[in-house]
Amino acid sequence: AQSVTQPDIHITVSEGASLELRCNYSYGATPYLFWYVQSPGQGLQLLLKYFSGDTLVQGIKGFEAEFKRSQSSFNLRKPSVHWSDAAEYFCAVGGNNNDMRFGAGTRLTVKP
Amino acid sequence: ETGVTQTPRHLVMGMTNKKSLKCEQHLGHNAMYWYKQSAKKPLELMFVYSLEERVENNSVPSRFSPECPNSSHLFLHLHTLQPEDSALYLCASSQDGAIYGYTFGSGTRLTVV
Repeated sequence: AQSVTQPDIHITVSEGASLELRCNYSYGATPYLFWYVQSPGQGLQLLLKYFSGDTLVQGIKGFEAEFKRSQSSFNLRKPSVHWSDAAEYFCAVGGNNNDMRFGAGTRLTVKP
Repeated sequence: ETGVTQTPRHLVMGMTNKKSLKCEQHLGHNAMYWYKQSAKKPLELMFVYSLEERVENNSVPSRFSPECPNSSHLFLHLHTLQPEDSALYLCASSQDGAIYGYTFGSGTRLTVV
């Protein structure tokens, strides 16, 4: 069965520092991978997605993620974090069916 | 309006009340979902409707009753809830499964007193 693990529950970075959020997945076939962001009291917003092709994908708000099949990972990165990036981030894996699995989320705090 | 709209944004109800959550999508998608998001727990998939037919019910208690009258609207009818049902209820829609990702509404914050 497909599953997603986000090892870090909470991460704190300083504004302007680089960011990497980890995601590991388990899926029987080629996965469709996603990163979502959720601000307090809001729904989830899609940041970026990977289907196939180039393993480095670009998303909104300056985020990118790299698919590494050998490591079953899809880590999210940003070179320079802004205070407005403070939120909860969810990694997800899905396929052709209506069954997208979400990780437990990583809460990002940004220090001034 | 565009995207996925959920109403109400906030709801407080007693354990003996009956209320309904509404979700509307303006994206022409063919699948809709209800998720429950509780503090410190992963997103829980409750119901899936594809082409207006329920395709999944993840062992959700019968006090939650979904309804999908057409491809644009999804309801979650609530009755005799428990305090542990207090959570953020999120609606989402998609086209052709999870291939392109889901579009989420802003959620309904439900408090059961």
